[in-house]
Amino acid sequence: DQQVKQNSPSLSVQEGRISILNCDYTNSMFDYFLWYKKYPAEGPTFLISISSIKDKNEDGRFTVFLNKSAKHLSLHIVPSQPGDSAVYFCAASAGGTSYGKLTFGQGTILTVHP
Amino acid sequence: DTGVSQDPRHKITKRGQNVTFRCDPISEHNRLYWYRQTLGQGPEFLTYFQNEAQLEKSRLLSDRFSAERPKGSFSTLEIQRTEQGDSAMYLCASNFVGQPQHFGDGTRLSIL
Repeated sequence: DQQVKQNSPSLSVQEGRISILNCDYTNSMFDYFLWYKKYPAEGPTFLISISSIKDKNEDGRFTVFLNKSAKHLSLHIVPSQPGDSAVYFCAASAGGTSYGKLTFGQGTILTVHP
Repeated sequence: DTGVSQDPRHKITKRGQNVTFRCDPISEHNRLYWYRQTLGQGPEFLTYFQNEAQLEKSRLLSDRFSAERPKGSFSTLEIQRTEQGDSAMYLCASNFVGQPQHFGDGTRLSIL
């Protein structure tokens, strides 16, 4: 039972354009969501998070949007840079900011072309 | 802050052998987590500790797996009688309650 789904295995964008990565979840108990980035041979690195009491959170070039009614979140990267090329994982937890166990999606491979 | 450290980075062993991995969390982080990641999938939760107490174990975790965090600092994950299906990347993460989890670079286990 995949409670967090990233339905696009890969995404390719041109440098300077917007990258939009999508994530859907099924568990109504999830109330905190995070995005991680992973380079080959490294562990995931935290990017940005959002609580279910918000619908948007912004940090520099990264913005996360949450649509609770649709159980959908997205990560926008503007402008995209070649160094953003990596695997992006969406993750969710229940229990607010206590950041207990995380449930991850399958990941989306982002490639940004110069 | 030296980051989460995992040892070894790679482990190759024969089916049926026991293996043990170590994780050193970021200093003074009170929570420590173990995840497993297979090819094409995201990390899958195994277990986590708050200080030395093991607070939760995944129902998917076989009884061949055991984890400890004896003094509330480093942790070990042991797999007994390894099977082919245990081949994966084993990731450790740590945090203070309320903050994002920081991950190590993982231990890649290969079962021959």
